[in-house]
Amino acid sequence: SQQGEEDPQALSIQEGENATMNCSYKTSINNLQWYRQNSGRGLVHLILIRSNEREKHSGRLRVTLDTSKKSSSLLITASRAADTASYFCATYNSGGGADGLTFGKGTHLIIQP
Amino acid sequence: DSGVTQTPKHLITATGQRVTLRCSPRSGDLSVYWYQQSLDQGLQFLIQYYNGEERAKGNILERFSAQQFPDLHSELNLSSLELGDSALYFCASSDIAGTPGTQYFGPGTRLTVL
Repeated sequence: SQQGEEDPQALSIQEGENATMNCSYKTSINNLQWYRQNSGRGLVHLILIRSNEREKHSGRLRVTLDTSKKSSSLLITASRAADTASYFCATYNSGGGADGLTFGKGTHLIIQP
Repeated sequence: DSGVTQTPKHLITATGQRVTLRCSPRSGDLSVYWYQQSLDQGLQFLIQYYNGEERAKGNILERFSAQQFPDLHSELNLSSLELGDSALYFCASSDIAGTPGTQYFGPGTRLTVL
């Protein structure tokens, strides 16, 4: 079952604009991660934010986490055509011994040149 | 390049058949995870192996099984295939000495059941 739910399902913006995607989850987590997937290819790890962190930056990426609202956002600044991809949030909860990530259904981002 | 390899890239087979998907984790990673990605179910965790032992099961069907060998490569066996098993199957690996939860994904095997 899906833990995270991304919003919006699809987003189309002009190159150079900022893109914001949101993720909501249901249970307590150890950390939350964002992954990118180019069409039909493997997932690439972008950034991880721990449950005790509120904001994290990596290059043009900015992630926020609000554990009280069980939500996270991913901001991509100054978007490029190469950012066109699907973006997934994934939650990790080490409780119970299982280390599998729980993914949302993703946001499909299209950057128009 | 994540360092995780999967073979084959594509697999086309018929209903009722059995296939084996292979995964080699990044050098030094002891954990291997299998995921299924389909249009209707999204990305689903199937099973995890750690250093040869099964560690956790997710939404894995009884018709599916996996194992991890002494050289740490893993195989996912899918039997009595049904049309609904058509999906992308990903393998991921992780290093427990690193940040818990960070996983490195292979390029996937696209399975088509006709």
